[in-house]
Parts: sequence; structure tokens; C-alpha cells
Amino acid sequence: AQSVTQPDIHITVSEGASLELRCNYSYGATPYLFWYVQSPGQGLQLLLKYFSGDTLVQGIKGFEAEFKRSQSSFNLRKPSVHWSDAAEYFCAVGFQGAQKLVFGQGTRLTINP
Amino acid sequence: DTAVSQTPKYLVTQMGNDKSIKCEQNLGHDTMYWYKQDSKKFLKIMFSYNNKELIINETVPNRFSPKSPDKAHLNLHINSLELGDSAVYFCASSQDVGGLNEKLFFGSGTQLSVL
Repeated sequence: AQSVTQPDIHITVSEGASLELRCNYSYGATPYLFWYVQSPGQGLQLLLKYFSGDTLVQGIKGFEAEFKRSQSSFNLRKPSVHWSDAAEYFCAVGFQGAQKLVFGQGTRLTINP
Repeated sequence: DTAVSQTPKYLVTQMGNDKSIKCEQNLGHDTMYWYKQDSKKFLKIMFSYNNKELIINETVPNRFSPKSPDKAHLNLHINSLELGDSAVYFCASSQDVGGLNEKLFFGSGTQLSVL
């Protein structure tokens, strides 16, 4: 069965510091990969997605993610975080024909001033 | 104008009651979904509908019955509520089926508390 693992439940970084959130998936086929962000009391919003092409994808709000097939990973990065980046971040995976996304457990990001 | 709106935002009820959550999207999308987010933040798909037809029913108890009167609406009715039904329920929509090629648009969620 398809699964998505986000190993870090909660991460705290200082404002201005760099950020990397980890995501690993399991399945043999070429995946569609996504990062969604959930601000408190809100629904999820798409940050970026990857299916093919350049394995480094750029998203909104200065985020980027890199697909590494050999590691089955799609880690999210940001060079310098802002206090407004505090939120819950979800990695999701889909596969052609599956007609659904499978979400990870989420990583809660806290920003220290 | 809210793209995906769901009501109510909060729902507190007793075990055994029947309740409904409503969802509407004004994006003209063909596919709508219900997701359940449990207390550990796991977000799992429950149902998806494409043009009013059921596409996915993800082994959800039959106490949960989705209804799509038209492609802009997908309501969720829950019978005989149980403590374990307490969660945040999210409605979502997308132009494609599955949200792979087109992004999902989520509502702001309905926090259901069963006492």
C-alpha cells in the first residue's frame, strides 16, 4: 500500500534560519508529489508539486522541494523562514490511476523570534 | 468569495445523534471530497464524487453517507455518532479526479466533538 512518512512531528527554528522538512514515500511507480500547508483554523493550501522534469521545484512563499528517486524522498526547504511560516506542513503522494492523494502525518513548524 | 465553504465550523453533539455537514464550492470543479483529520493530524480521504457520482468510498462505516445533489455540493450525513467520530472534517474540490494534475482546494474544516 502507498504510504507517506514525515519523520518529524514538530520542528522549531529561529526566524531567519534555514528549514528542511523531510518526506519519504513508499511505492514503486513514478509518484506525483505535493507539499500542502495548513495555517491554524484553515484548510490546506498547495505549496508546490512535482511529477516530472526538473527534480528541484519552486513553490509559493519562497519554498522549494527536491525529488530524489534513489531515496524515495521529497524534502521541503526554505533558505530563511519568516514568523508567518509557522503552520502545519503536509507531504502527499499520488499515483496515476489511484484517483486520490495519500497524506503524511504532518510536521508542525514553530518559529522562534 | 470563499471558494470551498463548509458549515458548520464547529459541531458539538451527543453520542447516538445524527448530524450533517454541508459543503459548497463555487469554483466550477467536477470533483469534491471529504477528508477526515484525526487528533494526531492524520488526514485521510473518506469519499470523492465526480459530477455527482461516487468515485471513492474509503472503507468508511456506513453510518457515514455522502450526498451530492449537484456537482457544486457535497454534504456528509453521519448517523448514530460515536466518540471515535470526533475529528476535523475537511471538504475539498478539484477540477480533475484525485487532485493529481490539478490542486485540491480545501474548506476551512468542521470540528466535530462527540460527547
